[in-house]
Amino acid sequence: NAGVTQTPKFQVLKTGQSMTLQCAQDMNHEYMSWYRQDPGMGLRLIHYSVGAGITDQGEVPNGYNVSRSTTEDFPLRLLSAAPSQTSVYFCASSYLGGGVYNSPLHFGNGTRLTVT
Amino acid sequence: AQTVTQSQPEMSVQEAETVTLSCTYDTSESDYYLFWYKQPPSRQMILVIRQEAYKQQNATENRFSVNFQKAAKSFSLKISDSQLGDAAMYFCAYRSADDMRFGAGTRLTVKP
Repeated sequence: NAGVTQTPKFQVLKTGQSMTLQCAQDMNHEYMSWYRQDPGMGLRLIHYSVGAGITDQGEVPNGYNVSRSTTEDFPLRLLSAAPSQTSVYFCASSYLGGGVYNSPLHFGNGTRLTVT
Repeated sequence: AQTVTQSQPEMSVQEAETVTLSCTYDTSESDYYLFWYKQPPSRQMILVIRQEAYKQQNATENRFSVNFQKAAKSFSLKISDSQLGDAAMYFCAYRSADDMRFGAGTRLTVKP
């Protein structure tokens, strides 16, 4: 029972490099989302999706792209990494029955990204 | 925009005692949900308890309970009979149809 799987666990990038953080869930959840966690600021929503082919911006979307081609996968792309994107990134998913948002989020184990 | 405020960056409690973590939020929406998540040093985010805004009854989960005051937009977490394993960061969270907001967190230390 894998739940939400994030890869990689750690990554170091140089400024200007690009990379994709992978996220996959095997619970058939409609809702998937990405967050960044910075010291003293909690988790902030980057992008989210309520189903395949549908994505929307969260609180801090600049510098990140997402796509949702399947129910299972929701990758996060950094096109040109900047030191300000140094953070811990979490992917999370949840059930979305009838458009009700009371289902808890299931989180991956996070990716620690450092941009030098 | 919705905001979630946790005014206590750090709290400590003696083992077996009770502690209350504070959370306030600001929203103009009527349909939303509130959660408390726990993050131990392992970095894993774990659901502690949830509350539907339309329910007046406070949620409880074993040693964890909330005091939900909708008019005051307050959602505090009470941990009874604190255990060493309760030591962690605790995040209050707000969720609506198009938004998910977390507070900055409260670090809870449990003293043996």
